[in-house]
Amino acid sequence: QLQLQESGPGLVKPSETLSLTCSVSGGFISSSDYYWAWIRQTPGKGLEWIASIYYNGRTYYSPSLRSRLTISADMSNNQISLKLTSVTATDTAVYYCARLGGLEVFWLGNWFGPWGQGTLVTVSA
Amino acid sequence: QSTLTQPASVSGSPGQSITISCTGTNSDVGSYDLVSWYQHHPGKAPKLIIYEDKKRPSGVSNRFSGSKSGNTASLTISGLQAEDEAHYYCCSYASSSTWLFGGGTKLTVL
Repeated sequence: QLQLQESGPGLVKPSETLSLTCSVSGGFISSSDYYWAWIRQTPGKGLEWIASIYYNGRTYYSPSLRSRLTISADMSNNQISLKLTSVTATDTAVYYCARLGGLEVFWLGNWFGPWGQGTLVTVSA
Repeated sequence: QSTLTQPASVSGSPGQSITISCTGTNSDVGSYDLVSWYQHHPGKAPKLIIYEDKKRPSGVSNRFSGSKSGNTASLTISGLQAEDEAHYYCCSYASSSTWLFGGGTKLTVL
């Protein structure tokens, strides 16, 4: 059974870089059948798709965050990473990683699942 | 559009049916048969319950159903049970290789 587990610093200071890791077990991120994605939930608000990555390194980013984001894949450790630079309080959120499937219907995928349980990141001095 | 529009809350009694709407535009919901729905119990991982507008993943109760008309997708839960109390989110492909989620709907089972 595929499982995803996010890990991160918990607390990041404003203007610094947030680094998160998603460890995948029960499956391989090198599979051509799926993308892998980061999604966040800010306090009191809904979900926001942030970025996606394919096994061949193809990446996609939210236009509003593109200039500050980097998503990458470590095939040897079966991990997906996310870096968000110049963070502010508005980046305080629970960050989730998820598998993005359904490529047989739509080449970019069309459903997210399973998800990790998420990791809370607070941006504060 | 930054998010899809969902009602903030809905409620129903056990055994009843409820419907949650998800309104987008003809650039997202109305253009692609790629609406998915997620159930989220606080503190747990969100769970996929509907994909491609109306399909149910294996293992998801047939009490959950999806539909779409124009720019509005809907999730219907029939035979409400206490365990259905959760937040529900819709999601749609939104062109330019991006994805939009709804603001979420809190379902209360009375």
